[in-house]
Amino acid sequence: DSGVTQTPKHLITATGQRVTLRCSPRSGDLSVYWYQQSLDQGLQFLIQYYNGEERAKGNILERFSAQQFPDLHSELNLSSLELGDSALYFCASTPGTGDPYNEQFFGPGTRLTVL
Amino acid sequence: GDSVTQMEGPVTLSEEAFLTINCTYTATGYPSLFWYVQYPGEGLQLLLKATKADDKGSNKGFEATYRKETTSFHLEKGSVQVSDSAVYFCALTSGGSNYKLTFGKGTLLTVNP
Repeated sequence: DSGVTQTPKHLITATGQRVTLRCSPRSGDLSVYWYQQSLDQGLQFLIQYYNGEERAKGNILERFSAQQFPDLHSELNLSSLELGDSALYFCASTPGTGDPYNEQFFGPGTRLTVL
Repeated sequence: GDSVTQMEGPVTLSEEAFLTINCTYTATGYPSLFWYVQYPGEGLQLLLKATKADDKGSNKGFEATYRKETTSFHLEKGSVQVSDSAVYFCALTSGGSNYKLTFGKGTLLTVNP
């Protein structure tokens, strides 16, 4: 158990819908990363937050957004869902200043299926 | 931009066989290099890392050496076990203002008894 929790574990929805994925980092970690893992694209970095502020952006679509709340949990919002958004979404947290040189601790992931 | 290329899988070995998974990279500056492992149904876990040229990362019998001249970070283990069956990801970060990890596509390893 990495100490990072993600809910829900599975999510099945229809095209055009909107969903919210939730992540709680390890106790004491201020930094949260979001990743998308799919068969064709592999593991893609989406976005990073540090202590409530957006720090880095990767291959995140405009239909996707995220935020980190004062209690440090983070939510990833996916809207106008398409079949191609079906994937495993991981959250990770790091200790200290959120430097990617540090080990990232991954949650178990949320599997999103868009029908 | 940064990129990581791993050998295509899947790799199937018998228990106690020698393992090599190749990884090469392209990066700006002086990246740090990582191997992460994903066991079935779980998130990724850091296996080992190296932060500068000629460093050797090691953990649980796995080793990888940071080779700047060949831009490589190949993963090796002398004697694999069934419990090593997993997907292995090579990754890098260039640091600086670039806070992200760039991952390879992953290599599925299956070890048979």
